[in-house]
Amino acid sequence: AQSVAQPEDQVNVAEGNPLTVKCTYSVSGNPYLFWYVQYPNRGLQFLLKYITGDNLVKGSYGFEAEFNKSQTSFHLKKPSALVSDSALYFCAVSPDRGSTLGRLYFGRGTQLTVWP
Amino acid sequence: DAGVTQSPTHLIKTRGQQVTLRCSPKSGHDTVSWYQQALGQGPQFIFQYYEEEERQRGNFPDRFSGHQFPNYSSELNVNALLLGDSALYLCASSLGLFAYEQYFGPGTRLTVT
Repeated sequence: AQSVAQPEDQVNVAEGNPLTVKCTYSVSGNPYLFWYVQYPNRGLQFLLKYITGDNLVKGSYGFEAEFNKSQTSFHLKKPSALVSDSALYFCAVSPDRGSTLGRLYFGRGTQLTVWP
Repeated sequence: DAGVTQSPTHLIKTRGQQVTLRCSPKSGHDTVSWYQQALGQGPQFIFQYYEEEERQRGNFPDRFSGHQFPNYSSELNVNALLLGDSALYLCASSLGLFAYEQYFGPGTRLTVT
């Protein structure tokens, strides 16, 4: 069965400091991995994806994520946080084969708060 | 280039009623998926439509049904509403049945009283 775990409900960081939002996954076959961000009363906005290739992927707004196959993790990172990064972040996985190919499985989300 | 649009933005219904939510995919996209996001939870897959047929279905009862039109737009219908159906309903579109890159709309907030 496919699943995603985001072990932290909340992450708090000071502006200018690096941030990490954690994600681990379980999937049949190879994973397609995604990070989305959600602002209040809004839909999901795509940040970045890992499909294949380099384990470090770069996305929108200075975010990046590192795929670690042995640890089944895909942590989201940013070298220097901004107050405007405060939002709800979702990690998602999709299997690369099988009857659920193309379906996204989401974690419960991590609320990131960046204080000035 | 219009992104994914959904209507209405908000909706309040009473238990037992029926509701229809609408979605227009991003221009050029032909596949629509629907997700339910309950308060404090991540989105959960309801079903996916491609070529006007339901192609995949998540763990949702038959009260949830859908439709896709020739112009690729889609509807989500929920019958016999329960309080637990209160959620944000998200529509996502993609190009092709097995595309991994999905674009989400702003959602419809459904409140069942």
